Amino acid sequence: AQSVTQLDSQVPVFEEAPVELRCNYSSSVSVYLFWYVQYPNQGLQLLLKYLSGSTLVKGINGFEAEFNKSQTSFHLRKPSVHISDTAEYFCAVTLGAAGNKLTFGGGTRVLVKP
Amino acid sequence: EAGVAQSPRYKIIEKRQSVAFWCNPISGHATLYWYQQILGQGPKLLIQFQNNGVVDDSQLPKDRFSAERLKGVDSTLKIQPAKLEDSAVYLCASSLDGQPQHFGDGTRLSIL
Repeated sequence: AQSVTQLDSQVPVFEEAPVELRCNYSSSVSVYLFWYVQYPNQGLQLLLKYLSGSTLVKGINGFEAEFNKSQTSFHLRKPSVHISDTAEYFCAVTLGAAGNKLTFGGGTRVLVKP
Repeated sequence: EAGVAQSPRYKIIEKRQSVAFWCNPISGHATLYWYQQILGQGPKLLIQFQNNGVVDDSQLPKDRFSAERLKGVDSTLKIQPAKLEDSAVYLCASSLDGQPQHFGDGTRLSIL
């Protein structure tokens, strides 16, 4: 069975500073990887996904992530955050097809300070 | 395109009562999922439907939870009787075959 670990439960960051959210996964087979964002009282919105190909994936809102198979990691980065990036971020994996069931990490709460 | 619709947005009930949630997926999405998100945790899959058939319900507490998708479109999730530990946000998601999931805004359930 696969599992996902998000190493930081909370990340405070100042506006316009860079941010990195760490995600490690474990699986005995190839996986598909995702980052979702959840704003207060809303559902999850897909930020980006890695299915195959280039290990550097660009998503919406200026976010990007890098898949590292040897380290089983999929860290999310943004070079300059905005107040509006304050939200909870979830890393998730699935096996087989991208539409199969997702296994989520525990989430990282990002608080952007002015 | 209209997103995944869920209702109600909020529900407060007392323990041992019953409750039902409704989900209408994006038009044409054959796969529908129900997730439970307890405060401070990531969502956990409860049940997955492919059209009107169940693909995975291994983590559904079947003694109290039930779900159906009779016509392969909208779906209901029921809890009877509710326990305090069922307090959570219940998220519905849908997807086309092999594509990433789209999530609704969820139903926040509080058990008193």
